[in-house]
Amino acid sequence: GAGVSQSPRYKVAKRGQDVALRCDPISGHVSLFWYQQALGQGPEFLTYFQNEAQLDKSGLPSDRFFAERPEGSVSTLKIQRTQQEDSAVYLCASSFNALAGGRAGELFFGEGSRLTVL
Amino acid sequence: GQQLNQSPQSMFIQEGEDVSMNCTSSSIFNTWLWYKQDPGEGPVLLIALYKAGELTSNGRLTAQFGITRKDSFLNISASIPSDVGIYFCAGQPGNYGGSQGNLIFGKGTKLSVKP
Repeated sequence: GAGVSQSPRYKVAKRGQDVALRCDPISGHVSLFWYQQALGQGPEFLTYFQNEAQLDKSGLPSDRFFAERPEGSVSTLKIQRTQQEDSAVYLCASSFNALAGGRAGELFFGEGSRLTVL
Repeated sequence: GQQLNQSPQSMFIQEGEDVSMNCTSSSIFNTWLWYKQDPGEGPVLLIALYKAGELTSNGRLTAQFGITRKDSFLNISASIPSDVGIYFCAGQPGNYGGSQGNLIFGKGTKLSVKP
């Protein structure tokens, strides 16, 4: 399809397991973002890529969270040694070019990956 | 960190009613946006506002960027059943030096149909 695609849609992990969440942005979108959405809350920023460069990772909650976008298209968010507090929906969003000016914030979100840590 | 106060938290609508919700912040914002999220889906952008005082419409939706840059409202006129969902305000603080897509989101206003 033409939208942001995320997989898996649902992931159940045992505490301590590592997980990897994939995001395929809209073709041609330079900017890619990861957000975390806890139940009943608004999304919270995790990290941002401009092409393959990770320009902002200020929202990553701990060093167990790692994101990459090696070729400037598909991105993976990895969570090591998962904890129960990591349970949330992880949303990926892309935009044409967040640094182009004028249209900051006009993000296209995927459906999210719902992570449940037991 | 920065927070947005969004109200009301929830509301019930009857088809045909007008709906109003707002968002406030203790600090100024450069950008205000309104997103809608349906269950099991990601947020979808409804309206984006970039200038203080700006009033923008998108069909039955109207939103304004407050003149103080610390608030925004969203109005929905003549609501229809498909308007149910969660509406989020989001913005980028005025003094923020981070990335352009690092948005602060409110906690949402949940719109439901009156039983």
